Amino acid sequence: DAGVTQSPTHLIKTRGQQVTLRCSPKSGHDTVSWYQQALGQGPQFIFQYYEEEERQRGNFPDRFSGHQFPNYSSELNVNALLLGDSALYLCASSFFTLGNTEAFFGQGTRLTVV
Amino acid sequence: AQKVTQAQTEISVVEKEDVTLDCVYETRDTTYYLFWYKQPPSGELVFLIRRNSFDEQNEISGRYSWNFQKSTSSFNFTITASQVVDSAVYFCALSEAGAAGNKLTFGGGTRVLVKP
Repeated sequence: DAGVTQSPTHLIKTRGQQVTLRCSPKSGHDTVSWYQQALGQGPQFIFQYYEEEERQRGNFPDRFSGHQFPNYSSELNVNALLLGDSALYLCASSFFTLGNTEAFFGQGTRLTVV
Repeated sequence: AQKVTQAQTEISVVEKEDVTLDCVYETRDTTYYLFWYKQPPSGELVFLIRRNSFDEQNEISGRYSWNFQKSTSSFNFTITASQVVDSAVYFCALSEAGAAGNKLTFGGGTRVLVKP
């Protein structure tokens, strides 16, 4: 049973460029959440997708957008990259329940903006 | 708004010592869920334990145990007889009930270093 998989594992982009990160949820899970983890800090919630719609959003600008596909996989897009967007981006999958089940995380995508 | 605070940034112990990680949370919800996750150097967050706000019974699971005290909004985590493989960053997290689903609010993490 494959867990949560993310691609790519590492990425280097130039300031002002756009980037797309991908996530495949754990088999059977229908909800994907994205988190940004700056170096030395805890993960910060970006947004959550269920039934191909954004259900919740954290305090992130519109430069951060996402998509969920019918097979539950998801993409995170970041436009007009800033140096401050350099971070580990984590994808988590879960069931769309009432917050009482654990989320499973992927290994993350390390984004470096230069 | 929810908030999770982990006051300890780093703890260093010698193998076989016990390690207790502190977590204090803030929420206006009456029903919520508390979690502990482990992040090894590989980066993946690994689920360890979950607790519901309406169940304050403290439990032990293998070498892990936790102390949930609603009166002080604390959810402390203990690793008994630590091992080198326990070296990692540990995060305490909080989620709401209801439509908020599994949106997690994390603390800043505590780095645990277990020396042989």
